[in-house]
Amino acid sequence: DAGITQSPRHKVTETGTPVTLRCHQTENHRYMYWYRQDPGHGLRLIHYSYGVKDTDKGEVSDGYSVSRSKTEDFLLTLESATSSQTSVYFCAISESGGATGELFFGEGSRLTVL
Amino acid sequence: AQSVTQLGSHVSVSEGALVLLRCNYSSSVPPYLFWYVQYPNQGLQLLLKYTTGATLVKGINGFEAEFKKSETSFHLTKPSAHMSDAAEYFCGYNFNKFYFGSGTKLNVKP
Repeated sequence: DAGITQSPRHKVTETGTPVTLRCHQTENHRYMYWYRQDPGHGLRLIHYSYGVKDTDKGEVSDGYSVSRSKTEDFLLTLESATSSQTSVYFCAISESGGATGELFFGEGSRLTVL
Repeated sequence: AQSVTQLGSHVSVSEGALVLLRCNYSSSVPPYLFWYVQYPNQGLQLLLKYTTGATLVKGINGFEAEFKKSETSFHLTKPSAHMSDAAEYFCGYNFNKFYFGSGTKLNVKP
């Protein structure tokens, strides 16, 4: 299994509080991604990174920010959590972002915003 | 807009029966298609992918998919369902970023 660790795995927080989810990889892969999974929507890309300090927005980036100061860590921050951000968040990594690339997923972080 | 559409959010089959999970893609989607599987409370893992070459792609656990450009389809099949196949399956495509369909939950009845 790919070495991907997400933390925390479960979190309950209140509306308006900041939340940071961490993704740590031991594979030295260049590309890292944050997805959210909601029933009926599949997985939607929030942000991704193609190298240290190189990040870009995905399709549902509003209300989220990311940082990548080291190859192995990719942080997802909700500056002021809202109930619509209740979801399961998955980190994924890929050695190649091109057509032949494969995504390896972490086990997910379940976030509940009350 | 580029997209993939999975027909049927839930599919139920009997153990031993054919599994057919449907995926259609818009014509503007680049032909780099894949299927991922998600078992309960786990992340996703790659079942199979099509990039170039043979249009019939074989994956893990006896699954296969056929890329049909004329029908803009990439349906996933398995000749004989097993209880362990119960999971959610996602079709998608890769073009610098990975895009997923809305998923199909497969239920396998004993």
